[in-house]
Amino acid sequence: AQSVTQLGSHVSVSEGALVLLRCNYSSSVPPYLFWYVQYPNQGLQLLLKYTTGATLVKGINGFEAEFKKSETSFHLTKPSAHMSDAAEYFCAVNPGGYQKVTFGTGTKLQVIP
Amino acid sequence: KAGVTQTPRYLIKTRGQQVTLSCSPISGHRSVSWYQQTPGQGLQFLFEYFSETQRNKGNFPGRFSGRQFSNSRSEMNVSTLELGDSALYLCASSLDGTGHYEQYFGPGTRLTVT
Repeated sequence: AQSVTQLGSHVSVSEGALVLLRCNYSSSVPPYLFWYVQYPNQGLQLLLKYTTGATLVKGINGFEAEFKKSETSFHLTKPSAHMSDAAEYFCAVNPGGYQKVTFGTGTKLQVIP
Repeated sequence: KAGVTQTPRYLIKTRGQQVTLSCSPISGHRSVSWYQQTPGQGLQFLFEYFSETQRNKGNFPGRFSGRQFSNSRSEMNVSTLELGDSALYLCASSLDGTGHYEQYFGPGTRLTVT
């Protein structure tokens, strides 16, 4: 069974600073990987996904993530944090086929002005 | 294209009652998944339906059930409500649920059990 670990349930960064949200997964096969963002009282919105091909994936709102198979990681980064980035971020893994998606426990990002 | 819709958005029920939540997926999407989200447990997978068949199931008691109709709309039912069932229930749809296609989430139904 696959699992997803997000290091740090809360991360604080200053406005304009680098955002780094960590995600590690365990899966017996190369999985499909996703990052979602959730704003208060809303559902989850897809930021980016990795399926196959290029390991550096660019998403919306200036976010990107790199799939590193050797490290079983899929960390999310953004060069410069904006106040509007304050939200909760979820990493998710799907091993493929018709298996269920497993979500990490989420990381709440606080952006300090 | 309209997004995933969930009704109702908010619900208050009493212990012991039952509740039915509804989800309308994006047009053309055949896979619908349900999740329970709580502050302590995060996102917990309930079940997934594809073409009216339950394809995957999470570790929830039998009080939680669901179904999917021929138009892909889905409902979930919780019987004999407990206080611990208070949560945000999220529905997500995707084209086929294989993982190659991402899930699109609805805004959720906030259930409060008193």
